[in-house]
Amino acid sequence: EVQLVESGGGLVQPGGSQRLSCAASGFTFSSSWMTWVRQAPGKGLEWVANIKEDGSEIHYVDSVKGRFTISRDNAKSSLYLQMISLRAEDTAVYYCASLHRSGHMYGWGQGTLVTVSS
Amino acid sequence: DIQMTQSPSTLSASVGDRVTITCRASQSISSWLAWYQQRPGKAPKLLIYKASTLESGVPSRFSGSGSGTEFTLTISSLQPDDFATYYCQQNNYYPYTFGQGTKLEIK
Repeated sequence: EVQLVESGGGLVQPGGSQRLSCAASGFTFSSSWMTWVRQAPGKGLEWVANIKEDGSEIHYVDSVKGRFTISRDNAKSSLYLQMISLRAEDTAVYYCASLHRSGHMYGWGQGTLVTVSS
Repeated sequence: DIQMTQSPSTLSASVGDRVTITCRASQSISSWLAWYQQRPGKAPKLLIYKASTLESGVPSRFSGSGSGTEFTLTISSLQPDDFATYYCQQNNYYPYTFGQGTKLEIK
């Protein structure tokens, strides 16, 4: 069974930085694309970024390009999201998810809340 | 970007009802569509992928259909656990995009 556990959320000031982590188990992490999806309070789901199994292919939604960096460490079965220049509109629960090659998200973490506020 | 539009935004129904949620894409996405269920305070859960393939472990009362720009999620006989919010998601083009969600409420 896919298990994903996010950490690293919290309160951060506008313009600040935060690094999210996602620990994976129950599947072959190194053979799976991975993704981050976020959900602002009371709002719908928004895809943020994808990363290929070996990290050689990465995609971002335009609103985070140049500010967010997705990465992975297959030796540690871990996924990361480095966020800089944070804005109030980045406030959301951030979910990591395992991504099938065909693009559907088949396993989800419980999410970690990032609040950008002064 | 591909826009995904779900209808209705809210749906009131009773246990045992058959319900259908529609998702329309702003351009053709072939069959690259997934459906997710999200209960309050919980992570989304995959129900259907490639428009009509039921994820392992998901009850057979859930079904999906469609291709191109119009898709449907049908629940054949609502159970108490099914009252939740449902999202469609296209994964044919970047950026991946979700519908705005359909909240299924108890009548």
